[in-house]
Amino acid sequence: DQQVKQNSPSLSVQEGRISILNCDYTNSMFDYFLWYKKYPAEGPTFLISISSIKDKNEDGRFTVFLNKSAKHLSLHIVPSQPGDSAVYFCAARRSGTYKYIFGTGTRLKVLA
Amino acid sequence: EPEVTQTPSHQVTQMGQEVILRCVPISNHLYFYWYRQILGQKVEFLVSFYNNEISEKSEIFDDQFSVERPDGSNFTLKIRSTKLEDSAMYFCASSTRTGNTEAFFGQGTRLTVV
Repeated sequence: DQQVKQNSPSLSVQEGRISILNCDYTNSMFDYFLWYKKYPAEGPTFLISISSIKDKNEDGRFTVFLNKSAKHLSLHIVPSQPGDSAVYFCAARRSGTYKYIFGTGTRLKVLA
Repeated sequence: EPEVTQTPSHQVTQMGQEVILRCVPISNHLYFYWYRQILGQKVEFLVSFYNNEISEKSEIFDDQFSVERPDGSNFTLKIRSTKLEDSAMYFCASSTRTGNTEAFFGQGTRLTVV
């Protein structure tokens, strides 16, 4: 049941450059999307979210873009920092339900 | 900053034994969740809990699993008779409300069934 997919298992980016993490979903009923960051041996940490009524949400260095027609969202990190190195999960939720459906994660490595 | 805390951080148990994983959600949160992540796989929803009852559960959450909020601060996940395939990181989470809001996760309990 791969409703939320992150097709790139890993990504390496130079410090100071832009990191772009992608996420695709199949369920058109999803109306709320989130990005979480996860370090080893820790729980997921909330980064940023977006409602389906928007196509962009920005918070500091982090911007999430939502393309509903393509069922695609992306997380942009500008500028990337070595401390951003972690696994990034996108998650989605359908209105009227309580559960978040997570993607498989993308391991971001920011090179100093 | 308020956080979700989980104990223990690591639990080793023998197959067939009962195990209880404990969580203290953020104090003003009303919705509570358990998720798990088997090594190398994605984070999977197990159950959500609101107003002292289960609001939603996944197909993973079978009769071997139960949740409880015994005293108004703790939120527990019990696995009655553990199987090898229950070995995973178990994450507790909480949120202020349902709808468009994020859930805050604890640091997880690594359960190893031997």
